[in-house]
Amino acid sequence: ETGVTQSPTHLIKTRGQQVTLRCSSQSGHNTVSWYQQALGQGPQFIFQYYREEENGRGNFPPRFSGLQFPNYSSELNVNALELDDSALYLCASSWGLAAYNEQFFGPGTRLTVL
Amino acid sequence: KNEVEQSPQNLTAQEGEFITINCSYSVGISALHWLQQHPGGGIVSLFMLSSGKKKHGRLIATINIQEKHSSLHITASHPRDSAVYICAVFGNNDMRFGAGTRLTVKP
Repeated sequence: ETGVTQSPTHLIKTRGQQVTLRCSSQSGHNTVSWYQQALGQGPQFIFQYYREEENGRGNFPPRFSGLQFPNYSSELNVNALELDDSALYLCASSWGLAAYNEQFFGPGTRLTVL
Repeated sequence: KNEVEQSPQNLTAQEGEFITINCSYSVGISALHWLQQHPGGGIVSLFMLSSGKKKHGRLIATINIQEKHSSLHITASHPRDSAVYICAVFGNNDMRFGAGTRLTVKP
């Protein structure tokens, strides 16, 4: 059984560019949640995908979008990058909705926007 | 005012001490999670609570839904418990996080 993996580990982009981050969920999990954690702060919930459908979203603009694939892996896409998007992006998978089930977190992708 | 407040922000303890970290929230919730984050960013889920009390090893978590308050206790603390402890609440398909409590346990 493999854990949650994320790619890439680190990424540097410039303002205005677009980025795609990837998350492979733990085997058997059908839910993926994405979080943004700025340096020195707690995580913030971006959105959750359950069985390929968005199921819950935090206070993030539409330029943050996502996908979940039939194998339950997921992508986070961010368009028109801004300096404030620099953060650690974490994904977590669970069997069932994250509210009611243990989440398993990936190691994160550290995004730097210059 | 944040919807999820944790106290204290920072906590230093001697090995063996009993630790309590508090979480108060102002929104209606479906469940509350306690998370542990080590330096370098790795997060581990410790507990998911919707009522009552849970225990795992030296860790105990309680929640009082009426008072909108949860506590995380660590008995016989150890330097390896040094980490940031984060309270997260779920409600209305949204999740809100506390700012975290940084715990340092000295040998």
